[in-house]
Amino acid sequence: DGGITQSPKYLFRKEGQNVTLSCEQNLNHDAMYWYRQDPGQGLRLIYYSQIVNDFQKGDIAEGYSVSREKKESFPLTVTSAQKNPTAFYLCASMNLAGVQEQFFGPGTRLTVL
Amino acid sequence: GENVEQHPSTLSVQEGDSAVIKCTYSDSASNYFPWYKQELGKRPQLIIDIRSNVGEKKDQRIAVTLNKTAKHFSLHITETQPEDSAVYFCAARGPPNAGGTSYGKLTFGQGTILTVHP
Repeated sequence: DGGITQSPKYLFRKEGQNVTLSCEQNLNHDAMYWYRQDPGQGLRLIYYSQIVNDFQKGDIAEGYSVSREKKESFPLTVTSAQKNPTAFYLCASMNLAGVQEQFFGPGTRLTVL
Repeated sequence: GENVEQHPSTLSVQEGDSAVIKCTYSDSASNYFPWYKQELGKRPQLIIDIRSNVGEKKDQRIAVTLNKTAKHFSLHITETQPEDSAVYFCAARGPPNAGGTSYGKLTFGQGTILTVHP
C-alpha cells in the first residue's frame, strides 16, 4: 500500500453541505481518476484528469466538481446538488506511458445524515 | 460509449474447485482488459490483465482468456482457496479518441462476489 492516499477514511455530511475529498499521489503519475462505488453497480467514473489544469467529465459528473492544480493532487468536491451522495469514493492514478495500470487509493466512505 | 456486462453477480465454490467469471464488452476498439480483486473494505488491486493482441495469459492459479470476435473475456481461478474470497471486477479500456481526452478511461463490470468455502 502507499503511493496514493485518500482522506478522510470516513466522512459524515449533513444534507445541503458541500464536502471535499482529498486524493494525493507520490507516484509521479500523469492521470488521476475519481470513481464512485455503490453495492451491485461496480465502479462508475465521476471525473478524470490527464494533465495539470485539465479534466474531463466521466459518466456521472453531475453534482461533483474537481480541480487539478498540482500533478500529485486531485480533490473531489461533492456538492449539495448531488442527490444521493452516500457511497464509497475511490481515487486512482496511472501513467499514460509504460504499463498503464491504474492504482487505487484506500477510499473514502461518505455518509449523508 | 463502452458497456461491460459481468456474470455471475455471485459465485460460491468449494475450496479446491475452479471458478470462472465472464465479461462481455460492446466497443470492438477496446484493447486492454484488466481484472481487479477487492477484499472487503479495501481498495481494488490488479490481479491480471490482457491486451487485445493476446488470446490468453496465465499467472500461477489465475488465467484470463480473450475472444475478440465474440467480444468477451473470462477470468479463471483454479484450486481456489478461502483467501480468494472477494469481489472481482473486470474492465475494458478503449484506445485514445481523436482528441486524446479519453485515453486510459476504464469501464468496469458490475462485479462478482466470490465465496470460497473451506
